[in-house]
Amino acid sequence: AQTVTQSQPEMSVQEAETVTLSCTYDTSESDYYLFWYKQPPSRQMILVIRQEAYKQQNATENRFSVNFQKAAKSFSLKISDSQLGDAAMYFCAYRSGGGYALNFGKGTSLLVTP
Amino acid sequence: GAGVSQSPRYKVAKRGQDVALRCDPISGHVSLFWYQQALGQGPEFLTYFQNEAQLDKSGLPSDRFFAERPEGSVSTLKIQRTQQEDSAVYLCASSPLQGPTGELFFGEGSRLTVL
Repeated sequence: AQTVTQSQPEMSVQEAETVTLSCTYDTSESDYYLFWYKQPPSRQMILVIRQEAYKQQNATENRFSVNFQKAAKSFSLKISDSQLGDAAMYFCAYRSGGGYALNFGKGTSLLVTP
Repeated sequence: GAGVSQSPRYKVAKRGQDVALRCDPISGHVSLFWYQQALGQGPEFLTYFQNEAQLDKSGLPSDRFFAERPEGSVSTLKIQRTQQEDSAVYLCASSPLQGPTGELFFGEGSRLTVL
């Protein structure tokens, strides 16, 4: 079974600064996908960014980018120019290429201070 | 509606009661997923439907859990003889594509508390 580890239960960043959230995963598969989801207090999960394992180029979505280190099985999320609305729980997730299920980490709570 | 709708938003049940949780996916979405999120944890996969077919139910924790989507739209997750360990938020997500490749759109969840 694949496991996803988020070693930072809580992180804090000042508005306009940059923060990096860590995620590592364990798998023996070569075909898989990685995701970062945001869960604001209302509990509706929102996809932030996704990365296909076969792609070497790191995914980027506006202020959000990932550092995908396949050999190290690391998938960190960088948030640039942090905004108050970025405050939420962030979950890293893994999906096997042939599977339906997302395997989530335990999450990192991000606090954004003015 | 514009998004995935779940009801009830909050449910309190006494141990041993049966509960039913409803999910209205986005209209036209083919795929539907159920996840269970315990307090302080990430969501855990329960089951997957493609239209009315339940293609994966490997995450259902026991035979007390049952899910259906008879007409390929609305889905119901039923929990029989609830136990305290069933207390969690139950999340539903839908996707416009077959299989797991499409972006998932999540509902706000149904919070179940078993006393």
